[in-house]
Amino acid sequence: SAVISQKPSRDICQRGTSLTIQCQVDSQVTMMFWYRQQPGQSLTLIATANQGSEATYESGFVIDKFPISRPNLTFSTLTVSNMSPEDSSIYLCSSGQGTYNEQFFGPGTRLTVL
Amino acid sequence: GDSVTQMEGPVTLSEEAFLTINCTYTATGYPSLFWYVQYPGEGLQLLLKATKADDKGSNKGFEATYRKETTSFHLEKGSVQVSDSAVYFCALRNYGGSQGNLIFGKGTKLSVKP
Repeated sequence: SAVISQKPSRDICQRGTSLTIQCQVDSQVTMMFWYRQQPGQSLTLIATANQGSEATYESGFVIDKFPISRPNLTFSTLTVSNMSPEDSSIYLCSSGQGTYNEQFFGPGTRLTVL
Repeated sequence: GDSVTQMEGPVTLSEEAFLTINCTYTATGYPSLFWYVQYPGEGLQLLLKATKADDKGSNKGFEATYRKETTSFHLEKGSVQVSDSAVYFCALRNYGGSQGNLIFGKGTKLSVKP
């Protein structure tokens, strides 16, 4: 199984600022995913990040708000730009290419925007 | 598109009670099915999985059987413990025509009382 770490684990930010979340995987993976989990809600996919190509965003999410980098096969970043209180959520990084299509998750970044 | 429907929570049980959390899905092709668990304050952990019809996934006393005829993947445990208190997410992963990301149900919160 893949081990995924995220930094920071939590942060409290002011409205209008930006935060970059880092995701590190302990093995090379083709696909990485970024999810958002709003308070008391399920997970919603923000985008899929493949190394060497532009990230693919889901409906309702745009690159200007959530720019993503994928510089190599073990690392990705998600930036939450121009934050508002509505962006307060847990942001989770995920990857997976196991034999049985398993997908592993990082511990999440708990973001609070004041 | 593909979707997952879980029974609404919260579910409150006494220790050693029998647990069932219903999950049904809609998908084209032959998705893989998963149950993830999220303990309080933590990220998602893969609990069990099944990749084809009639497969039974099991882990930590939990079981779920992939029923293609009823498009279901209900989670069961014969005797729950207080430590099982968590939110449980049913999910599918379908490579057919998609990027292979997970699609989650809304989650079911389980509280087990001593």
